[in-house]
Amino acid sequence: AQKVTQAQTEISVVEKEDVTLDCVYETRDTTYYLFWYKQPPSGELVFLIRRNSFDEQNEISGRYSWNFQKSTSSFNFTITASQVVDSAVYFCALSESLSGNTPLVFGKGTRLSVIA
Amino acid sequence: DAMVIQNPRYQVTQFGKPVTLSCSQTLNHNVMYWYQQKSSQAPKLLFHYYDKDFNNEADTPDNFQSRRPNTSFCFLDIRSPGLGDAAMYLCATSRDVRTPSTDTQYFGPGTRLTVL
Repeated sequence: AQKVTQAQTEISVVEKEDVTLDCVYETRDTTYYLFWYKQPPSGELVFLIRRNSFDEQNEISGRYSWNFQKSTSSFNFTITASQVVDSAVYFCALSESLSGNTPLVFGKGTRLSVIA
Repeated sequence: DAMVIQNPRYQVTQFGKPVTLSCSQTLNHNVMYWYQQKSSQAPKLLFHYYDKDFNNEADTPDNFQSRRPNTSFCFLDIRSPGLGDAAMYLCATSRDVRTPSTDTQYFGPGTRLTVL
C-alpha cells in the first residue's frame, strides 16, 4: 500500500532562514510520481512540483529546491531565504500511475510559519 | 486564464438540508475529482470521474453523490448534511489518469461548508 509520511507537523522559522520539509514515502511500484503542493490560508492547493521515479535529478526553482533520493525513499523540499508569504501548509503526495485509476495519496502536511 | 472554479466559496446549510457544491473547469481535462478536507487534515478523495465514468472511493458515505453533466462541470450533492460533514471541499482536475505520465491534479479554491 502507498503511504506518505511528513514527520514535521509544524515548523516555525524567522524570515530569511532556510527550511527543509521532509517527506518519506512507501510504495511497491517501480513507477510512481511524487508531488508537492502548497496550501496557503486561502485554502487552494497550489501545485509546486511533480517528479517521476526514474528521474532522481534534484530540481531548483528560484528559492525552492527538491532533493529526491530513492535509496532513502525521500523527497525533501527546501525553501531558501524564507519569506512571510511562504507561510502555508505543505503537502507531499504520491501516485502510482500504472495501476490505473489510482488516487493521489497525501501526507498529513507540514504547517510552516515564517515570522518577520 | 484556464482554471478550476468552485462556487460558492462559502456555503452554510442546516443539518439535514440538501446542499450542492459546484465545480467548473476551463482546462478541458478528462478527469475531475472531489476531495473532503477537514481542519488540520490532508485532503481525502471522495470520488472521481474519468470522462463520464464514475469512480467512488470505498469509504465514501452514501450521503455524498456526484454528477458530471458535461466535461466542464461537476457537482457534489450532500443529501442530508450532518455536523461531521462540515469541511472544505476541493475540486481538482487532471488531463488523463491512465497515461503512463501521471498528470498533475490542479485544484480549485475550495468551498468551505458549514453545517448548523
